[in-house]
Amino acid sequence: DAGVIQSPRHEVTEMGQEVTLRCKPISGHNSLFWYRQTMMRGLELLIYFNNNVPIDDSGMPEDRFSAKMPNASFSTLKIQPSEPRDSAVYFCASSLGSGGYEQYFGPGTRLTVT
Amino acid sequence: GENVEQHPSTLSVQEGDSAVIKCTYSDSASNYFPWYKQELGKGPQLIIDIRSNVGEKKDQRIAVTLNKTAKHFSLHITETQPEDSAVYFCAAKTSYDKVIFGPGTSLSVIP
Repeated sequence: DAGVIQSPRHEVTEMGQEVTLRCKPISGHNSLFWYRQTMMRGLELLIYFNNNVPIDDSGMPEDRFSAKMPNASFSTLKIQPSEPRDSAVYFCASSLGSGGYEQYFGPGTRLTVT
Repeated sequence: GENVEQHPSTLSVQEGDSAVIKCTYSDSASNYFPWYKQELGKGPQLIIDIRSNVGEKKDQRIAVTLNKTAKHFSLHITETQPEDSAVYFCAAKTSYDKVIFGPGTSLSVIP
């Protein structure tokens, strides 16, 4: 199994630009999670999908952030407009079934907003 | 809100010694406690987990214990090896399926 795939692995953009992060979960997994990791705040859950439906988006920082899951094998996290404080590593994770058990993480996207 | 605390923040041990990392959680309804290992430049990797109906679980050199009354759980690594060096995160799943992560422990195993 290829594991969770994320792209791009690194993204450098200027403040105000739109950023789109992509994730392909493990085949057969029906839950998908987006996390953000920073030194100050650690690992934070942004949003959680089950069967392509957003279940909990309480961690999405503000309206500049949006996430979609159009099908079982693809999800995007978009930031528009981006700000320097959005700089972080963004992880996607997937799991089999609902409930947040046994999550498998992707390699992450390191985002730098200048 | 729900919180997971983790100690120590850094830990240095000699190769072959044991390492223990301790965590506490605030949500008494939490029922699932995973541990993740994160190597530099990589995503967290699930190494072991325990559910609330079990007090202890072991997998080769790694073991986890859970005390639901005290709301704390611990990771034990025996016979440490240099490749065990990484950041370890404990986590607890809340009653509404949100997994809260601890701040992490940076483990260094000195050859």
